[in-house]
Order: sequence, then C-alpha cells, then structure tokens
Amino acid sequence: NAGVTQTPKFRVLKTGQSMTLLCAQDMNHEYMYWYRQDPGMGLRLIHYSVGEGTTAKGEVPDGYNVSRLKKQNFLLGLESAAPSQTSVYFCASSPSGGLTYNEQFFGPGTRLTVL
Amino acid sequence: GENVEQHPSTLSVQEGDSAVIKCTYSDSASNYFPWYKQELGKGPQLIIDIRSNVGEKKDQRIAVTLNKTAKHFSLHITETQPEDSAVYFCAAKWAGAGSYQLTFGKGTKLSVIP
Repeated sequence: NAGVTQTPKFRVLKTGQSMTLLCAQDMNHEYMYWYRQDPGMGLRLIHYSVGEGTTAKGEVPDGYNVSRLKKQNFLLGLESAAPSQTSVYFCASSPSGGLTYNEQFFGPGTRLTVL
Repeated sequence: GENVEQHPSTLSVQEGDSAVIKCTYSDSASNYFPWYKQELGKGPQLIIDIRSNVGEKKDQRIAVTLNKTAKHFSLHITETQPEDSAVYFCAAKWAGAGSYQLTFGKGTKLSVIP
C-alpha cells in the first residue's frame, strides 16, 4: 500500500514550457486535491475533485488545469509556466465517508522551479 | 470563506519544555479542526484533530484545546523531543456532507533544541 505518490519529485522548467504533474492513490479515495506550498503562505488549494470525471476550482486556480479521468489519478497541468508558479506542489486524497472522512492524506510533493 | 490565522510563525524550545501553537478561525460554521505535522522534505501528516462538540483532546504528549466561543484552538506539545522539530499546520472546515475544503494556517516552524 503506497498511499499517495507523486511524479516527478523535482522539475525545472523554462518560462512558457508546459508540464503535467501526476498524482496517484491506492486507497480507493473519492476526493483528491492539489495544493501549492510557498514560504510563509502555508498550503493553498489549487483544484480538487470529488470523484472520477469531476473537478472544481480552489483558492488559486489561475494558470493550472486538472483532470480526473480515473479514480486513482489526479493530474495537474501547467500550460505555459511562469516564474510565479515556482513552488512545492502537494497532492492529497481523502475518503468520502466513514470515521476518517475528513482526514487528508498527502503525497511527498513535487518541487517545481520555473526559470 | 474561512480564514485561519496561526501564531507564532517560528518557535524554539529547549528539549523537555512545552510548546504551544495557537490558531483562530473566522467561520462560526467550522466544526472540524485538524493539526498536521510536516517534516523536512515530506508531505504533511495528520497528528490530531478535534470537533466542536469537545473542548479538549489528548494523545500521549500532544493535546488540542478548542474555544468555540472565541473561535480559537491550540496545539500543546509537552516534554518536547528533537523529533518534534517540524512545521505544524492548523486547519479548519465544516465537516458536513458536501464540504470538501480544508483551510490551512500559514504554519509554525518548531525547533527543539537538545
């Protein structure tokens, strides 16, 4: 049981390039989330999904797109990377019911630098 | 929307002393308050949580207290150890059906000095 995994762990992009971050979970969770973490800013929600085929905007969605084609995967895309998107990105998942349904399980993060 | 303020941003304590981190929230509808610990290079991990129907919850050396009237909650770590050094985040949400988003504080970097 790997929990939540993220690919890649590190990436350096040039301004204007595109990339996709992959999140996978093997806990059969319904809900998945993408956060960004910047120094002194805590964790800010970018997009989230409440089930396969659904997505919704979080607090800071501009410049990002997401897709949830399979229940276990949640993809975060940057179409045209900007230096302001330099950050550490975390994926999380949570169950939709049961005693622990509010707990979010986080992946190890992806450190992205945009030059 | 919900707004969570967390203080202090950094905290240094001697090993064996206690550490207290405080958070306030704005939305009186919030009723679920978790605390996450993030070790260097890792993702946050839930360490304790509390719901608004209780005022205090303990788990070994950590405890969380909640003052619903004042809309603030605190994390207490007693007998601190070097392995407690990490960044701690508080969060708040309404734990009802159809509620998905956690609002996080900005974090407290705790350093335990041996």
